[in-house]
Amino acid sequence: KAGVTQTPRYLIKTRGQQVTLSCSPISGHRSVSWYQQTPGQGLQFLFEYFSETQRNKGNFPGRFSGRQFSNSRSEMNVSTLELGDSALYLCASREESDTQYFGPGTRLTVL
Amino acid sequence: SQQGEEDPQALSIQEGENATMNCSYKTSINNLQWYRQNSGRGLVHLILIRSNEREKHSGRLRVTLDTSKKSSSLLITASRAADTASYFCATDGIQGAQKLVFGQGTRLTINP
Repeated sequence: KAGVTQTPRYLIKTRGQQVTLSCSPISGHRSVSWYQQTPGQGLQFLFEYFSETQRNKGNFPGRFSGRQFSNSRSEMNVSTLELGDSALYLCASREESDTQYFGPGTRLTVL
Repeated sequence: SQQGEEDPQALSIQEGENATMNCSYKTSINNLQWYRQNSGRGLVHLILIRSNEREKHSGRLRVTLDTSKKSSSLLITASRAADTASYFCATDGIQGAQKLVFGQGTRLTINP
């Protein structure tokens, strides 16, 4: 099976703009989670979607949102970008087991 | 805040030696997972150990879990240059919250 894919791999935006990141899970996986990785805060959980419903949410402001489609693909959106949003955004998918499989990430730079 | 604290933060050893990394966590867990990350890329899953397990092996990897001490260790035997990476432990809550809480990671460097 193909692994988790994320697009785009790199993105440069300016403050105040918005951005949409995409994640395609492993075929058959219905759960998709998003994580943010920064040098200062490390890896932090953003949210998890399962069957198009948000099941869990991390401690991030409302500027961070996401959704999942019927084919399990997921998008996350960040509005009104701030410099501190510069990070590696990682998507992970899983089936019934507890193991999460991560994609290569999207490197977002906010100028 | 991070659930896991990893020790050491950085480790540098010679190729062929064994590398041991430790992870401590704060709350009860359902399972603990170890991941590897190369140079800011995606995370690669290494091994999962459940709360009712004490030790698990996978190839050159050995993981132990001590729930009474809320700690885990990852041992990589006969290290190779390709093992150079950052290693993270991540815990999954006992309520099945299905969100991983990561430690800050250990940066492992294998010198040829």
